Amino acid sequence: DIQLTQSPSSLSASVGDRVTITCRASQSISTYLNWYQQRPGKAPKLLIYAASALQSGVPSRFSGSGSGTDFTLTISALQPEDFATYYCQQSYRFFRSFGQGTKVEVK
Amino acid sequence: EVQLVESGGGLVRPGGSVRLSCVASGFTFDEFGMIWVRQAPGKGLEWVSGISWNGATTAYADSVKGRFVISRDNSKNSLYLEMNSLRAEDTAFYYCVRDKIGLGIPNFDSWGQGTLVTVSS
Repeated sequence: DIQLTQSPSSLSASVGDRVTITCRASQSISTYLNWYQQRPGKAPKLLIYAASALQSGVPSRFSGSGSGTDFTLTISALQPEDFATYYCQQSYRFFRSFGQGTKVEVK
Repeated sequence: EVQLVESGGGLVRPGGSVRLSCVASGFTFDEFGMIWVRQAPGKGLEWVSGISWNGATTAYADSVKGRFVISRDNSKNSLYLEMNSLRAEDTAFYYCVRDKIGLGIPNFDSWGQGTLVTVSS
């Protein structure tokens, strides 16, 4: 099974800050990596697919990079609606898996 | 507009069974694989099970293998999850999710609102 480890597990930031979340896979997964945002009480929402492709309708302040085992989600200038929990997810195998999540909180 | 609507959740006794359903609309259902993802209250996301577009291929997380069965009825645009031998640790919101291919990479682009299954005596 492919394990995904996100860091940090939580972070505190202010509106306008640049935020970076990392996701490390236990084996190489090429670019079979997606990112999701989940606000409290809501279903997750796809932000980035194939490691760096922006999902339609997602603001351009979100970006993704990486391949192999190391991936990054960056929010260039944090907005109030971005305080949420973020998950990475691998699709390299039919057995899919998620990272444990990173909660972005108000500083 | 893609819509996924789950139903069937509720309170179940330990050792009991429940069947979740998901009705899809707004897209050609039999062109997509489908997934169940769960989230225990206050916890992270867990992939539970997946099924290919024609039902020929299925997969399960180790935590539910042998107890849960995923199936679909393309004539009814419906996805199902039969859950047996339920345990307290199966308590969670269960989401029905579409498995879409983007740039050759599967991703979960559409989610239902979830249905809560509570396993308790």
